[in-house]
Amino acid sequence: AAGVIQSPRHLIKEKRETATLKCYPIPRHDTVYWYQQGPGQDPQFLISFYEKMQSDKGSIPDRFSAQQFSDYHSELNMSSLELGDSALYFCASSFWLAGGKNTGELFFGEGSRLTVL
Amino acid sequence: LAKTTQPISMDSYEGQEVNITCSHNNIATNDYITWYQQFPSQGPRFIIQGYKTKVTNEVASLFIPADRKSSTLSLPRVSLSDTAVYYCLVVIFSGGYNKLIFGAGTRLAVHP
Repeated sequence: AAGVIQSPRHLIKEKRETATLKCYPIPRHDTVYWYQQGPGQDPQFLISFYEKMQSDKGSIPDRFSAQQFSDYHSELNMSSLELGDSALYFCASSFWLAGGKNTGELFFGEGSRLTVL
Repeated sequence: LAKTTQPISMDSYEGQEVNITCSHNNIATNDYITWYQQFPSQGPRFIIQGYKTKVTNEVASLFIPADRKSSTLSLPRVSLSDTAVYYCLVVIFSGGYNKLIFGAGTRLAVHP
């Protein structure tokens, strides 16, 4: 079965550079979430999109922005990178059953590991 | 936002049953309880979800008492491959999508 695809899997950047991470949700999933997980830490919610509109915002720095495109893929743009941005970035997707209950099941990708030097 | 509290770590041995309890005292009426498993450098993976009483699937059981202020994930006969971090989350349904806020998970170590 198709899973959530994230690219690139690994990325090395210098401080103050920019980086873009891409996420391709499972087909027919309409909601995309971004999480950041630092070394030894728990996943932190950054932002989510439902039907291409931002649906919620978590602890996403102002230097970061994201969007969901017409084909439902999403991109996380990070500028003025700092050492503390080094982390695993997970994208997850889910779908909402119209008129019915959704489940709590988010399908996570394998993550993109960003290293800022 | 319902805060969850669970043990930082647990140890077990192969073949034993493991029960991880999570407290969520201020859970709201429409919230569900969901558990995820995460291996190092991998994305979290859904294990089970429930609202009340007991839910069972092929990998785990979830027990939720009537007051719903806590829940217990039960893993029958664990193996070494069950060594992972287990997260208890309260799922907030909001405007057509889920919101999952991860707290501190439980690091389960299964020993031979």
